[in-house]
Amino acid sequence: NAGVTQTPKFQVLKTGQSMTLQCAQDMNHEYMSWYRQDPGMGLRLIHYSVGAGITDQGEVPNGYNVSRSTTEDFPLRLLSAAPSQTSVYFCASSLSAWGLNTGELFFGEGSRLTVL
Amino acid sequence: ELKVEQNPLFLSMQEGKNYTIYCNYSTTSDRLYWYRQDPGKSLESLFVLLSNGAVKQEGRLMASLDTKARLSTLHITAAVHDLSATYFCAVEKGGGADGLTFGKGTHLIIQP
Repeated sequence: NAGVTQTPKFQVLKTGQSMTLQCAQDMNHEYMSWYRQDPGMGLRLIHYSVGAGITDQGEVPNGYNVSRSTTEDFPLRLLSAAPSQTSVYFCASSLSAWGLNTGELFFGEGSRLTVL
Repeated sequence: ELKVEQNPLFLSMQEGKNYTIYCNYSTTSDRLYWYRQDPGKSLESLFVLLSNGAVKQEGRLMASLDTKARLSTLHITAAVHDLSATYFCAVEKGGGADGLTFGKGTHLIIQP
């Protein structure tokens, strides 16, 4: 049982390049989300999904796209990288976003992205 | 807009001492979470607090939630070096689908 797996762990991009951060979970979780972590800022929600085919924006969605074609996968796409997107990105999942479930998030190991 | 404030943001303490980290939030919520993060690592769930008056304990850490005061505390008893880490509180908005709003974290250093 791998939990939440993110790839790559490290990436360096040039301004204007595009890339996709991959996230996969094997816990049959309905809810998946992407956060970015910046020094002194805590974690901020980028996008989230409550199930396959459903996505929505979080607090800081600009410059990022997501899709959820399967329950297991939730990739995050940077369309045209900017230095302001230099950050550590965490994918997190939860069994369900509503109901009796606690909503407790399980985090991946993180992807450290540098945009030059 | 939900705001979550932690204090202190930085804490250096000696082994054997007790201390409390505070987490205040700005709008009504019944669910609050505490996470631990070691340097360069992911976040690990510590406590899930789901109702007013909830108290959870694990080893030297104890967390509580007062939803009327919009306040949660993380109390450290007889601190040991292994507890050095950054601690985040996070509050659930609305029905939960909007994700968690995190505080900025408390960087805790426990010196021998």
